[in-house]
Amino acid sequence: DQQVKQNSPSLSVQEGRISILNCDYTNSMFDYFLWYKKYPAEGPTFLISISSIKDKNEDGRFTVFLNKSAKHLSLHIVPSQPGDSAVYFCAASVTGNQFYFGTGTSLTVIP
Amino acid sequence: DAGVTQSPTHLIKTRGQQVTLRCSPKSGHDTVSWYQQALGQGPQFIFQYYEEEERQRGNFPDRFSGHQFPNYSSELNVNALLLGDSALYLCASSLARFVGGLGYTFGSGTRLTVV
Repeated sequence: DQQVKQNSPSLSVQEGRISILNCDYTNSMFDYFLWYKKYPAEGPTFLISISSIKDKNEDGRFTVFLNKSAKHLSLHIVPSQPGDSAVYFCAASVTGNQFYFGTGTSLTVIP
Repeated sequence: DAGVTQSPTHLIKTRGQQVTLRCSPKSGHDTVSWYQQALGQGPQFIFQYYEEEERQRGNFPDRFSGHQFPNYSSELNVNALLLGDSALYLCASSLARFVGGLGYTFGSGTRLTVV
């Protein structure tokens, strides 16, 4: 049972434009949502998070939006840079110490 | 400051064998979680160790077991290997059991291939 879904396996964006990565979840009890970035041959790197009491969190070029009624979150990257090319995973947790991950979206930023 | 260190990086085992994977957490972290990432999938939680005890477990059979040592390092053991156990095994460390919005620090993983 896939509780966290990333329905877009890949995304290509021109450098300087906005990248929007989407994630849907089924468990309304999730209270922490995280985004990770993964380069080949490396482990995932924590990017940004949001708790269920917020609907937006911003960190530099990265903003995460949470729509609890739709059980949907998205990651916006503005402006996109070639170094952002990686696989992005969203993850969610009920207890804060066991996370359910999506299958990832491979982002390619074209120079 | 060393991050999370995993060994070995790659491993090939035969079906039915047993394997041990090792992890040293990031300096200052006392909690270790293990995840399995099959090809084309997201990481899946195996279990979490804190104070040398398994504190939480995902939906994995008893063939998967672990250990945490007093220096916080950890081992993941898998017995009676199946072809389906072939995956990238990720170790994640954190400052406390409750990761919340702080996120884990992941190692680069051990690629296990079962033939």
